[in-house]
Amino acid sequence: DSGVTQTPKHLITATGQRVTLRCSPRSGDLSVYWYQQSLDQGLQFLIQYYNGEERAKGNILERFSAQQFPDLHSELNLSSLELGDSALYFCASSPGAIGDEQFFGPGTRLTVL
Amino acid sequence: ILNVEQSPQSLHVQEGDSTNFTCSFPSSNFYALHWYRWETAKSPEALFVMTLNGDEKKKGRISATLNTKEGYSYLYIKGSQPEDSATYLCASEYYGGATNKLIFGTGTLLAVQP
Repeated sequence: DSGVTQTPKHLITATGQRVTLRCSPRSGDLSVYWYQQSLDQGLQFLIQYYNGEERAKGNILERFSAQQFPDLHSELNLSSLELGDSALYFCASSPGAIGDEQFFGPGTRLTVL
Repeated sequence: ILNVEQSPQSLHVQEGDSTNFTCSFPSSNFYALHWYRWETAKSPEALFVMTLNGDEKKKGRISATLNTKEGYSYLYIKGSQPEDSATYLCASEYYGGATNKLIFGTGTLLAVQP
């Protein structure tokens, strides 16, 4: 158990809908990272927040957004969902802004029908 | 465009064999290199984070080296065991002031046969 929690574990929704994925980092970690693993694809880095502010940005679609709240939990919002958004979404946390070991949560499996 | 490359894409070895993988990355504005072990149906697990040229890190039978001048890192597994079967990912971090970058390779899939 890494200490990173993600909810929900599974989510099934329809195209065009909007969902919110939630991540609570390990106690004391200030950075939260979001990743997407699609079928037949490797791990794609989406975005990083450090102490409430966006710190690094990867291949995140405009339909996706994230934020980190004062209590350091983070939410990833996915809107206008498409079939291709079906994936496993991981959250990870680390103590600092850069160069630290990341601890991954168990993931949220999103299925868009 | 920043690109991190890993080789080989996949590797099949026998139990007891030693093996190594390569991660190549752009050196400009480099900050850190991460190695992860990712077993099927599990979450990635951090193995090493290295920042300095010449860094060497070791965890049990697994070790890694870093060359930041030429932009590569090697991961070594000594005496492979079936439980070492996993995808090994590397990722490089770049310092960009207020905005950093984190780039992942596509991984090396290791299968160790008993």
